[in-house]
Amino acid sequence: GQSLEQPSEVTAVEGAIVQINCTYQTSGFYGLSWYQQHDGGAPTFLSYNALDGLEETGRFSSFLSRSDSYGYLLLQELQMKDSASYFCAVYNQGGKLIFGQGTELSVKP
Amino acid sequence: GAGVSQSPRYKVTKRGQDVALRCDPISGHVSLYWYRQALGQGPEFLTYFNYEAQQDKSGLPNDRFSAERPEGSISTLTIQRTEQRDSAMYRCASSSSGQGDEQFFGPGTRLTVL
Repeated sequence: GQSLEQPSEVTAVEGAIVQINCTYQTSGFYGLSWYQQHDGGAPTFLSYNALDGLEETGRFSSFLSRSDSYGYLLLQELQMKDSASYFCAVYNQGGKLIFGQGTELSVKP
Repeated sequence: GAGVSQSPRYKVTKRGQDVALRCDPISGHVSLYWYRQALGQGPEFLTYFNYEAQQDKSGLPNDRFSAERPEGSISTLTIQRTEQRDSAMYRCASSSSGQGDEQFFGPGTRLTVL
């Protein structure tokens, strides 16, 4: 089967750094994606890691360790607008994307 | 088009009726995906297409659910004999190549079965 685990909630203050972890179990793993979803909105793509290591895109970075079946999303210089749900998702050999249950991030002033 | 569009945005139907949900992907995108998302949960994979070929339908809950993309562009997800448990947000997404690249999601169709 396939499963992903990520924390259900994280709270942080403006300007801080927060890390959202994701562990997964899947067959035919190709890569790990992260998506952001604001209340009432559609998920939007943040990053995709197919290889081990860190990918940086502005204030957001994503890390993957294939040997540990583990990845994380790092958000720096948090802003109020970063309050949203964050989903890790496994892209597998069959070509489909399997999402985790999401982490609700609350950024406080 | 500028983005993925879905219609209708809201659909209320009575139990036992059939519904058809439409997705219009970004022009030229090869891959099209259907998801179902319950409140507070992640999108749940239903099925996906490359061009007009349905590649994987393992996520369709039962044989009341079907999908097609006859000309490799617009897709329709059909639910026959709807049940209350089918009530959810149904989301469509498209990607240019389907090789793990960015999926662009539509606004979704909120289905309510009374």
